[in-house]
Amino acid sequence: AQSVTQLGSHVSVSEGALVLLRCNYSSSVPPYLFWYVQYPNQGLQLLLKYTSAATLVKGINGFEAEFKKSETSFHLTKPSAHMSDAAEYFCAVSGVFTDKLIFGTGTRLQVFP
Amino acid sequence: DAGVIQSPRHEVTEMGQEVTLRCKPISGHDYLFWYRQTMMRGLELLIYFNNNVPIDDSGMPEDRFSAKMPNASFSTLKIQPSEPRDSAVYFCASSLARGLNNEQFFGPGTRLTVL
Repeated sequence: AQSVTQLGSHVSVSEGALVLLRCNYSSSVPPYLFWYVQYPNQGLQLLLKYTSAATLVKGINGFEAEFKKSETSFHLTKPSAHMSDAAEYFCAVSGVFTDKLIFGTGTRLQVFP
Repeated sequence: DAGVIQSPRHEVTEMGQEVTLRCKPISGHDYLFWYRQTMMRGLELLIYFNNNVPIDDSGMPEDRFSAKMPNASFSTLKIQPSEPRDSAVYFCASSLARGLNNEQFFGPGTRLTVL
């Protein structure tokens, strides 16, 4: 069985500050891990994914995430927040024999000027 | 590629009416997923297809909901009769395959309002 837990349904940061969105996973098989972003009134779009190659994954818009097996974590970070980063972010897990993605409950990021 | 296409983008209907949502997946993708998103329940997987065959419909809320995929380029989600609690944003997504290539590409969604 697979699941993900996103700690913090809302995160607020100032423009220019570090963004850290937390995701912990549970998986009985080697996981594939994803971060998606949803801007207001839009569908979800892929930010980045981990598929067992490099543990540090770089995505679009300056975001990156590090896979830590010992901590079962895949936290999303960005060194300096921009106003345009305000959105909802979803972590998801799947595996090599899995058809579907298991999504977390999402974290809404607010960026203040 | 045009991405996943959904229609209509907005639908307003009255309780008891039939609603049909449409989706065109990305060409060549073997998997198609229907999701519902609400403030209360978040993102829920309703049903998914592989090569036009329904694989898991355990997320379909009740018999009023049905989904079909008559060919590789078209799917429908139907609600009959609709109820106010069906108001939500419905997303369609498609993916190439399972495993390494199972990242999903989402459409823009259909915002359904049932009065």
